[in-house]
Amino acid sequence: QVQLQESGPGLVKPSQTLSLTCTVSGGSISSGGYYWTWIRQPAGKGLECIGRIYTSGTTNYNPSLKSRVTISVDTSKNQFSLKLSSVTAADTAVYYCARGKNIVGGGWFDPWGQGTLVTVSS
Amino acid sequence: QSVLTQPPSVSGAPGQRVTISCTGSSSNIGAGYDVHWYQQLPGTAPKLLIYGNNNRPSGVPDRFSGSKSGTSASLAITGLQAEDEADYYCQSYDSSLSGWGVFGGGTKLTVL
Repeated sequence: QVQLQESGPGLVKPSQTLSLTCTVSGGSISSGGYYWTWIRQPAGKGLECIGRIYTSGTTNYNPSLKSRVTISVDTSKNQFSLKLSSVTAADTAVYYCARGKNIVGGGWFDPWGQGTLVTVSS
Repeated sequence: QSVLTQPPSVSGAPGQRVTISCTGSSSNIGAGYDVHWYQQLPGTAPKLLIYGNNNRPSGVPDRFSGSKSGTSASLAITGLQAEDEADYYCQSYDSSLSGWGVFGGGTKLTVL
């Protein structure tokens, strides 16, 4: 079955760029009917969708983060990546990658990676 | 402030039935978008519990069920067990946010 694994620095300085990669195993990232997404969760708080990418390269971003977010995909490596620029302490969170089901009516997220904690601090 | 509204907490004794509500609006649940539910056990990633309003993925007990009506949805858990203690999130889409995914604020279920 498909599994996702996040990787990247756990500590980022304020004003710098947060960079994470999600590696997909057990299946091709180019499989039809899906998109690939980043979701984050500050400690003790709820879930927030950051953005998503289709393997065609089409992206959609959370309007509140759009000016700072870039999501890209590398089908040759079966990976997709997140870059979040100009980070502040408010960006400290557990970051999850997940596969989204692309269907009319709005799809669900499954599976999820285990999540990686990113702390923004000097 | 989450786009979808859930009660912060619910509780129930073992064996009881509890429900968790998820209230939206005409731009999300009321617009016909499906509602999905996730269970997040302490220290773990969310896990898909219900998809497409009332469908269970393989392996999810039939004690869990979902429903949707108008601008709201509900998750029902019957025969409550200690291992059901977790956070539960609803998720849908919102046409006012470029059709992007939105979550409820989450509900902490305590098994008394």
